[in-house]
Amino acid sequence: KNQVEQSPQSLIILEGKNCTLQCNYTVSPFSNLRWYKQDTGRGPVSLTIMTFSENTKSNGRYTATLDADTKQSSLHITASQLSDSASYICVVTDTNAGKSTFGDGTTLTVKP
Amino acid sequence: SQTIHQWPATLVQPVGSPLSLECTVEGTSNPNLYWYRQAAGRGLQLLFYSVGIGQISSEVPQNLSASRPQDRQFILSSKKLLLSDSGFYLCAWTGGRAFFYEQYFGPGTRLTVT
Repeated sequence: KNQVEQSPQSLIILEGKNCTLQCNYTVSPFSNLRWYKQDTGRGPVSLTIMTFSENTKSNGRYTATLDADTKQSSLHITASQLSDSASYICVVTDTNAGKSTFGDGTTLTVKP
Repeated sequence: SQTIHQWPATLVQPVGSPLSLECTVEGTSNPNLYWYRQAAGRGLQLLFYSVGIGQISSEVPQNLSASRPQDRQFILSSKKLLLSDSGFYLCAWTGGRAFFYEQYFGPGTRLTVT
């Protein structure tokens, strides 16, 4: 069964600090991995998307990494801002039927 | 540019009442359309997806149904709501097969069944 596990479940950091969120998956065969940011009560917004051959992708202060061998991904946030407070969701899609498996998300709270 | 709309934004309905949530996409044609449900603090669960008018695939057995009467319109319905139907409902679209194209989400509908 395809699974996506994210850690930690929640995280509190001070404004200006860096943090790293983790995503482990068992989805196979792998097509792509996406990170989304979801503000409370809103729809998710895409941050990065990586295919098998990509191991790093950046979007401003967000940098995602992918290790397809160990089936792990991380999302690194640099110089956090209050507006980074949100849920971050890891989504992995397979190539069989293009089905996506969603992680439960990491809730990040950035405090002043 | 493409835009996705959902309405209503919030809805409070009694158990046993019917439900109709609507999703429309602008600025694209032949999109793949998806309905997801998100329970509090949990990940998104795919409910239905559609690759064309009248073509609906259901991912999980449930009290809900979906229809696609027009190319860019996707409707989620129920004849009789259950308490367990409460949640945050998200519509999404892609320009093609999900594993090649980005998924774009609507603003969501918060449904509370009382």
